[in-house]
Amino acid sequence: DSGVTQTPKHLITATGQRVTLRCSPRSGDLSVYWYQQSLDQGLQFLIQYYNGEERAKGNILERFSAQQFPDLHSELNLSSLELGDSALYFCASSASGSPLEQYFGPGTRLTVT
Amino acid sequence: GDSVTQMEGPVTLSEEAFLTINCTYTATGYPSLFWYVQYPGEGLQLLLKATKADDKGSNKGFEATYRKETTSFHLEKGSVQVSDSAVYFCALISSGGYQKVTFGTGTKLQVIP
Repeated sequence: DSGVTQTPKHLITATGQRVTLRCSPRSGDLSVYWYQQSLDQGLQFLIQYYNGEERAKGNILERFSAQQFPDLHSELNLSSLELGDSALYFCASSASGSPLEQYFGPGTRLTVT
Repeated sequence: GDSVTQMEGPVTLSEEAFLTINCTYTATGYPSLFWYVQYPGEGLQLLLKATKADDKGSNKGFEATYRKETTSFHLEKGSVQVSDSAVYFCALISSGGYQKVTFGTGTKLQVIP
């Protein structure tokens, strides 16, 4: 158990809908990272938050957004969902702003039908 | 941009066989290199890392040496077990600017008794 929790574990929704994925980092970790793992794109970095502020951006679509709250949990919002958004979404956390030592959550499997 | 190339899987080995999973990278500067392991239904776990040239990372019998001259970080284990069956990801974190993680496509290892 990495100490990073993600909810829900599974999510099934229809095209065009909007969903919110939630991540709670390990106790004391200030950074949260979001990743997308799909069969065709592999594992891709989406975005990083550090102590409430956006720190780094990867291949995140404009339809996706994230935020980190004062209690340090984070939410990833995915809107206008398309079939191709079906994937595993992982959250990771680290103590500092650097991803050199990050711990991954178990992931949320999103299925868009 | 940064990239990581891993050997295609799946790799199927008998128990106690020698394992090598090749990984080469392209990056500017002096990246840090990592191997992550993903067991079925779980998130990624850091297996080992090396932060400078000629460093050897090791953990649970796995080893990898940071070779700057060949831009490689091949994963090896002398005697694999059935419990090593998983997907292995090579990754790098660039040294300059925002430290984003770039992952390889993953190599599935199946160890048969």
